[in-house]
Amino acid sequence: ETGVTQSPTHLIKTRGQQVTLRCSSQSGHNTVSWYQQALGQGPQFIFQYYREEENGRGNFPPRFSGLQFPNYSSELNVNALELDDSALYLCASSLGGLVGMSSYNEQFFGPGTRLTVL
Amino acid sequence: QKEVEQNSGPLSVPEGAIASLNCTYSDRGSQSFFWYRQYSGKSPELIMSIYSNGDKEDGRFTAQLNKASQYVSLLIRDSQPSDSATYLCAVSYNTDKLIFGTGTRLQVFP
Repeated sequence: ETGVTQSPTHLIKTRGQQVTLRCSSQSGHNTVSWYQQALGQGPQFIFQYYREEENGRGNFPPRFSGLQFPNYSSELNVNALELDDSALYLCASSLGGLVGMSSYNEQFFGPGTRLTVL
Repeated sequence: QKEVEQNSGPLSVPEGAIASLNCTYSDRGSQSFFWYRQYSGKSPELIMSIYSNGDKEDGRFTAQLNKASQYVSLLIRDSQPSDSATYLCAVSYNTDKLIFGTGTRLQVFP
């Protein structure tokens, strides 16, 4: 079974630039969620994609956008980068859509992408 | 504002002792509860999930849930130095997102 993978591992950008982060979900999973984790904080939910559709969004501005592909991999795009966007970006995959099954929303994280905005 | 609260620690326990980590949440509609372990510089790793009141045991870990008190805890028996990490409590209100606490740093000393 293949786990969640993310690329790149580290990224350095300057303010105002745009960035794309990538995630491949765990084998058999159809749902990808993205989180931002600032230093010393818990992860904050950005959005979730289920079967290529956005399925919930956290309190992040529209310059954070994403998509999911037919193979359930996903991208997170951030435009007009700000210094406060510096964080660890985490992708989590899960098996969604199985209402009534107790483990249907267990989310498994990838290794993350460390983004630094200068 | 739905919130998850944890004591930031550090919680220091000697090797072999029981470590007790606590978490409270604000929304009574919460359905699913998770404990993640995060080593410094790494991503969170799911160690326990619990969905109904009571205890759930898995090896040295026991999760306890009390929905009436809006309280979930994690017990680690026979604590080892390798258990030293930040433990994140997460709560789900539906399938779309996890709400995390800020984490409790656990230190297990020999």
